[in-house]
Parts: sequence; structure tokens; C-alpha cells
Amino acid sequence: LAKTTQPISMDSYEGQEVNITCSHNNIATNDYITWYQQFPSQGPRFIIQGYKTKVTNEVASLFIPADRKSSTLSLPRVSLSDTAVYYCLVGQRESGGYQKVTFGIGTKLQVIP
Amino acid sequence: DAMVIQNPRYQVTQFGKPVTLSCSQTLNHNVMYWYQQKSSQAPKLLFHYYDKDFNNEADTPDNFQSRRPNTSFCFLDIRSPGLGDAAMYLCATSRVTGRDGYTFGSGTRLTVV
Repeated sequence: LAKTTQPISMDSYEGQEVNITCSHNNIATNDYITWYQQFPSQGPRFIIQGYKTKVTNEVASLFIPADRKSSTLSLPRVSLSDTAVYYCLVGQRESGGYQKVTFGIGTKLQVIP
Repeated sequence: DAMVIQNPRYQVTQFGKPVTLSCSQTLNHNVMYWYQQKSSQAPKLLFHYYDKDFNNEADTPDNFQSRRPNTSFCFLDIRSPGLGDAAMYLCATSRVTGRDGYTFGSGTRLTVV
């Protein structure tokens, strides 16, 4: 099971770009990299998923280098409502072909006015 | 909208009294998961179903059981809740391929008195 390592916490001012890097040195060939956002007392919410290079959607970008041993979630121009815990997950292939993932500690992002 | 629904949102049970939490989905996903999340901790996988195939995590206590009568519903049974079982319980679903990650419900907050 690929283990992930990410900073425990980060602070950022409103309007700034935030980059959160996750290390996953033993990622397997078929594993996806997925990021989730979780607010207090709510279930995690899917943000973005990638396999290699760069992926962008309406809320974030995900940068994955060629060796795939790390990934960086980029949040453009954060606002106070982006204050949350962000989890980086790497999939574990089960025999049925689906991914079972184990959550790491996550990064608690605090956006400051 | 397709979604994952957990009921109830809050559950209070007495020490030792069996309790059942429910989860339903309209996504028609093959895989359903149950996670336990204690305060300020990451979600911890308890078990999951791939269709009717049940997969228990090695460190999940026997006190926790699950049922999946059909594709749409999954239940978490706690046979004799202890004070240490107070937590948020999260249900999630995913495609077999793992693409697009998990979809989580809002969770059930369990209090044991």
C-alpha cells in the first residue's frame, strides 16, 4: 500500500495561490492520485484526480512529475471558505480492479483574511 | 443529483445497545466502503463491499459488522457500542475502475452515552 506524506498544516492569506505537495515514493504503476477536501463534520469531497503530468479542473490543478513519486495540489486565489483539511490518496488495486485507499494525516489549510 | 445518503445524521445510543447506521446510493457504484473518523483524525477504513463480496480490514473489531442487501444500500451494525466507538461514520462509494475517486456521504455522528 502506497504511503503518503504531506505537511500537517499550512497557512495562507486570502487571494494567494496555495501549493500542497504530497510524497508517495512507492506508488504502483496503476495507481491514481486523488485529492479530497474535508470540512469539519462533513464527509470528504473529491477535488481532483490524476495519473501523470498535469490535470486542471474548475477548482484546482494537480501537477505530477514523470517519476510520479510526488504530486502537488494547486489552489488558485484561495478564500476563507477553502479552510479545510486536504488529503492526498494513492490507490491500492484490489483483485476486482477497484481501488481501496487509506487516508493519511492530511494537511490542515488555514486561510487568513 | 446522484449521491450518497447517510441516515441518521446524528445518532445517540446507550453503552452496549446495538445500533445500525444506514447508507444508500443512487450512483450505481459497485463498491461501498465504511470509514470511522474520530475527532482530529483521518478516516479509517473498516470494511468494504465489492458487489456482494465483503472485505474486512484486519484491525476492524468484531463488534463491527456490515450488510449489503442490494446495490443501493449498505448498513453498519455495531453490536455492543463502547464509549470508544463514538465517532463520525462515513459511507463512500466508487466505480470499479477507481476513476473519479470516492463519493462520500455526509456521515453519521455517533454518540455513546
